[in-house]
Amino acid sequence: GQNIDQPTEMTATEGAIVQINCTYQTSGFNGLFWYQQHAGEAPTFLSYNVLDGLEEKGRFSSFLSRSKGYSYLPLKELQMKDSASYLCAVMDSNYQLIWGAGTKLIIKP
Amino acid sequence: DAMVIQNPRYQVTQFGKPVTLSCSQTLNHNVMYWYQQKSSQAPKLLFHYYDKDFNNEADTPDNFQSRRPNTSFCFLDIRSPGLGDAAMYLCATSQKTGAPYEQYFGPGTRLTVT
Repeated sequence: GQNIDQPTEMTATEGAIVQINCTYQTSGFNGLFWYQQHAGEAPTFLSYNVLDGLEEKGRFSSFLSRSKGYSYLPLKELQMKDSASYLCAVMDSNYQLIWGAGTKLIIKP
Repeated sequence: DAMVIQNPRYQVTQFGKPVTLSCSQTLNHNVMYWYQQKSSQAPKLLFHYYDKDFNNEADTPDNFQSRRPNTSFCFLDIRSPGLGDAAMYLCATSQKTGAPYEQYFGPGTRLTVT
């Protein structure tokens, strides 16, 4: 079966650094996406990886290791507005997105 | 601005009373998706259209139907809503040709069933 695993919830302090992990097992791989979703709102695209390594994109970089079926989203200089759920999704061999349940990030002052 | 629009943002319907949710896009994307998302869960794909080709997920209940009359519009019909159908319904689009096939989401319609 296809599976995306993320921690359910994480807590961090404003100004700190946090890393949100995602592991996956899917039928084929055509890229991995990270989306941010604030409570009651739609997901918004953050980053995309298809090759191994770090994809740098301002505050929302993302890392991928295809051999390990693993990605992480490092968030730096956390702001209160970063409190949200972070969804990892993998595009499988049929170009369908397989979604994780998301990691709820709580940021404390 | 090019965007994905969903109407209404909030919809209340009665148990068993048919309801239609709408989605429109100005991105001119080939693909349109309907997802159901319940609290703290992953979005669940209900179906998608690639141009006019309809693709139904195997586990989407027959109670859910969809129409795409043209490139810009897509509708989700729930024929007899049950209490378990209360959720956020998300419409998304993507341009399948060319990576990374990023999906663009509308703001969602939150459906309440009374």
